[in-house]
Amino acid sequence: AQTVTQSQPEMSVQEAETVTLSCTYDTSESDYYLFWYKQPPSRQMILVIRQEAYKQQNATENRFSVNFQKAAKSFSLKISDSQLGDAAMYFCAYRRYSGNTPLVFGKGTRLSVIA
Amino acid sequence: NAGVMQNPRHLVRRRGQEARLRCSPMKGHSHVYWYRQLPEEGLKFMVYLQKENIIDESGMPKERFSAEFPKEGPSILRIQQVVRGDSAAYFCASSSGTGGQDTQYFGPGTRLTVL
Repeated sequence: AQTVTQSQPEMSVQEAETVTLSCTYDTSESDYYLFWYKQPPSRQMILVIRQEAYKQQNATENRFSVNFQKAAKSFSLKISDSQLGDAAMYFCAYRRYSGNTPLVFGKGTRLSVIA
Repeated sequence: NAGVMQNPRHLVRRRGQEARLRCSPMKGHSHVYWYRQLPEEGLKFMVYLQKENIIDESGMPKERFSAEFPKEGPSILRIQQVVRGDSAAYFCASSSGTGGQDTQYFGPGTRLTVL
């Protein structure tokens, strides 16, 4: 079974600075998808960024980028120019490549942004 | 284009009562996933449904829990004879079912409190 591990329960960052959230996963498959979801205090799950394992290029969405290391099974999220609105729980998630399959989530990292 | 709708947003039940949670997928989506989030945990998959069919219920407890997605109307997650351990946030996500590149969009969740 696939597992996702987020080893940092909590992180903090100064406003305008950069922070990196870690995620590792375990799978025997070669093709899959990886995601970062944001959950603000409203509890709404918001998709931040997505990476296809067959793509070598790291995904980027504005201030959010990932460092995908397939051999190491590592998928970290970098947030640049942090803003107060970035404060939230961040969840790393895995999904198999084939068909319509459920997401496997890590336990999350709570990010605080200090003004 | 409305997103995924869930109701109620908050539900309080006494032990032994029944809880019914509703999920209306995004327009054009025919695939629904239910996840449960216990306090301070990530989301855990429960069940995956298409219209009138349960595709994967491997994450659903064998007793007291059931789910349906009728031809007309929302998907329903039913919990019979609730216990305190059922207190959690229940999220549903929908997708169009177009295969591997399909993205799951989440509703705002229902927070169930069992007294």
